[in-house]
Amino acid sequence: AQTVTQSQPEMSVQEAETVTLSCTYDTSESDYYLFWYKQPPSRQMILVIRQEAYKQQNATENRFSVNFQKAAKSFSLKISDSQLGDAAMYFCAYRGLQGAQKLVFGQGTRLTINP
Amino acid sequence: GAVVSQHPSRVICKSGTSVKIECRSLDFQATTMFWYRQFPKQSLMLMATSNEGSKATYEQGVEKDKFLINHASLTLSTLTVTSAHPEDSSFYICSASQGAYEQYFGPGTRLTVT
Repeated sequence: AQTVTQSQPEMSVQEAETVTLSCTYDTSESDYYLFWYKQPPSRQMILVIRQEAYKQQNATENRFSVNFQKAAKSFSLKISDSQLGDAAMYFCAYRGLQGAQKLVFGQGTRLTINP
Repeated sequence: GAVVSQHPSRVICKSGTSVKIECRSLDFQATTMFWYRQFPKQSLMLMATSNEGSKATYEQGVEKDKFLINHASLTLSTLTVTSAHPEDSSFYICSASQGAYEQYFGPGTRLTVT
C-alpha cells in the first residue's frame, strides 16, 4: 500500500520569506500523481499544485513550486514570498492511476506566517 | 472551476438518532465521490468510495451498516450516520471526481452528537 509521510508537524516563516515543506512517499507504481493541498481555518480543501510522475519538469504555480525527486520518492513544496494568507495546514497527497484512484494523504504540516 | 457543495455545514443531533449529509457536484457530473472523516488537527481519513449506481466501497475498519452511502445520481451522494453516538462527532468531507486526476472537495460538515 502507498504511504505518504510529512515529517514536519509545524513550520513557521517570516512574511515575504521562503519556506519549504517536505513530503516523502512510498509506492511500487511507476506512474501516479502527487498533490499539495491547503486547508485554511475554514477547512475547505484547496488544491495548491499537482505533479504528474511521468513529467520530469517540476510543477510551478505562481509563488508555489515543487521539487519532485522521483528516485528518492520526495515531493517538497516551496512557497516564495510568503503571505499572511498562506497560513494553513498543508497536506501532501498521492494518487495512483489504477483501481479506485483514491487519494492518500500525509499527516499534514501546519504553516504559520509571522508578520 | 468545479464546485462541490455539502449540506448541512453543521449539524447537532442526539445520541441514537440518524443524520444525513448531502454532497452535490454543482457544475459537473461526478462519476466517483469520496467520503472522508477528519478529527481535530489530524489528516483526512478516507471512509468510502462511491460510484454512481453501484454500492460503495468501504475502507477497512469503517462500518458499512453505520455509515450508509448512497450515490443515486451523477451529482448527488449522501452519507447517513445511523444510530449516532458521541464518538461519531467529527468533520466529514466529501469530494467528487470526473474520472480525471483531480478531486474537488466540498466545504465539509461538522457533526456533533450529544
